[in-house]
Formats: sequence, structure tokens, C-alpha cells
Amino acid sequence: KNEVEQSPQNLTAQEGEFITINCSYSVGISALHWLQQHPGGGIVSLFMLSSGKKKHGRLIATINIQEKHSSLHITASHPRDSAVYICAVVIKAAGNKLTFGGGTRVLVKP
Amino acid sequence: GAGVSQSPRYKVAKRGQDVALRCDPISGHVSLFWYQQALGQGPEFLTYFQNEAQLDKSGLPSDRFFAERPEGSVSTLKIQRTQQEDSAVYLCASSPLTGPSYNEQFFGPGTRLTVL
Repeated sequence: KNEVEQSPQNLTAQEGEFITINCSYSVGISALHWLQQHPGGGIVSLFMLSSGKKKHGRLIATINIQEKHSSLHITASHPRDSAVYICAVVIKAAGNKLTFGGGTRVLVKP
Repeated sequence: GAGVSQSPRYKVAKRGQDVALRCDPISGHVSLFWYQQALGQGPEFLTYFQNEAQLDKSGLPSDRFFAERPEGSVSTLKIQRTQQEDSAVYLCASSPLTGPSYNEQFFGPGTRLTVL
């Protein structure tokens, strides 16, 4: 079983819809990252969380440490939000390397 | 440049060839990571440097994989006798050890390796 699981694997939404991507992990962590990867492009860091909630523009990330769960929400989705969204964790006592989920491929249709 | 750069961006190798992939981290970043991303999957950790010291190489899949960072800046990932299963995107990331971004990793564009 992977240490980091994401759902759904694929998601299609109409422009303007609210999108939620979920991430569950099975290990103790010191931080959780949400990353965005466009086709053929590199990875961009969206959020780094260790507790609570963060917001940036139309993106909101939350984390529940007790439940080992995090969500990424996209409000008023737009076609330019189409990308792969990846959850990654920093496992406690394992250094600063990232352990990644499999990613969620999001397609927002106009 | 301001970001992490990697070269080449694309590499096609015949099975059995040796390849070398280069990463130029953000200037002053102490930490450097290599990750491997197979098609349709999330990245997986290969190795980690702090300055020139390779502190973790637990993710290297075989002894055909070798990484170095001799002067604590540029790093090279070398794959000897490439196999088809080595086909992947190789990502490099760097991170400062102190400051407000100390736990954030900045990724390069990746090198897409195709082994025929």
C-alpha cells in the first residue's frame, strides 16, 4: 500500500465548478505539499502545510493531522486550472525528501 | 537564471548506453534532490545532497545509477548501461536550509529520458 493516496485519479469539471482533491497518508509527517504539474512542464509548489488551512487566490488547502488527511479545493474552476495536482509529504525522521501521491489529473472544460 | 535548470530537456538513448543528466540548482540552495517520474505516476525519490555530501541515496534503483555534486552546486545524475525501464522524467529540486522557504522545494523542468 502506498504511503500517500490521492483521489480521484482523474477529474473532469465544467468551468466555474468547485473542485476537491483528497489526499490521505499513513505515516507521521512534518509537512504536506500540494504541487501542480502542467503537461510537459515542471512542478510548481502551490502550498506547504503543517496544520490548518491556507488560501491563495481561488485555491484552498486544508489538513487534518489527526485524521491524516488533506484536501485541495479549487473554487470557480477555469480551463487554465487543467493540470495534474500532486500531494507530497515530508515523513518525520526521514529527512526532507518528498514522498508523493500518484497525482490527480484535472480537466476543466469551457 | 532565477530557477532550477536541467539539461538536456530530452534525451534518447539506445539500450546499453551511458547517460549523464545535469541539474543547476538555485544559487545558494544547500539541499538538492533527484526524483524519477515514470509515465502516469507520481515522482519517486532517488537521492539527496546537502552541499557536496550525498546524505541519502536509498532511492537509487540499482548500482547503475550514480549521482554527484562535487562542488556543492551543480549535480550530475549518471545512468550506466541504460535499460528500457529507466525511461522516465528525471526531476531535480533544490531547497534552502534556512529562511522562510527552508522546507519548500523548487523544481526544475525535468529531463525526459527515453531508452530504445
